[in-house]
Amino acid sequence: GAVVSQHPSRVICKSGTSVKIECRSLDFQATTMFWYRQFPKQSLMLMATSNEGSKATYEQGVEKDKFLINHASLTLSTLTVTSAHPEDSSFYICSASAGTGSSPLHFGNGTRLTVT
Amino acid sequence: GQNIDQPTEMTATEGAIVQINCTYQTSGFNGLFWYQQHAGEAPTFLSYNVLDGLEEKGRFSSFLSRSKGYSYLLLKELQMKDSASYLCAGSDSNYQLIWGAGTKLIIKP
Repeated sequence: GAVVSQHPSRVICKSGTSVKIECRSLDFQATTMFWYRQFPKQSLMLMATSNEGSKATYEQGVEKDKFLINHASLTLSTLTVTSAHPEDSSFYICSASAGTGSSPLHFGNGTRLTVT
Repeated sequence: GQNIDQPTEMTATEGAIVQINCTYQTSGFNGLFWYQQHAGEAPTFLSYNVLDGLEEKGRFSSFLSRSKGYSYLLLKELQMKDSASYLCAGSDSNYQLIWGAGTKLIIKP
């Protein structure tokens, strides 16, 4: 089945540094990838929609200059958390769809970010 | 507005059957998804319904009534490993997913 690889799975960084998270579709081409954030005991919150070769579409309230998204190819999207602060500590999950809007999303394993 | 409602938490016994309900209001409708999420892990796809009726897949079944804006996920022969959160998500006219808050299912021996 479709596989999405997300790396790293865990990262601890100091406040003020930047962290890059990679999301790869391993066996299919994903024209669209999605980035979510999830706080403990809460549902997924869509941060942005990443389209290959164009600028990402950010959800209301998500700072595009803080959460940089690059979708350079049909199999790779990256999320960079710039100048991270402790409140950015969260579980970040990417997902991709292999086909149309009715196709299920396949999720990466998530990245647990802790900012100290 | 768009909204997905599902119970916050449910408890069931190992070997039993449990039904998790979901009601939705979306701008247009392109299907209803169910995902399973174990604590600390990413969600995994369970089912997709776009037509009325029941879709059966092993121990899991999902039902949809478009006229009522209602879906349920039915889990049979519950196993301890089924303890997880179950997320209902509706797809709107733009194929954007509207997520419910998830139902935490607790399985007791």
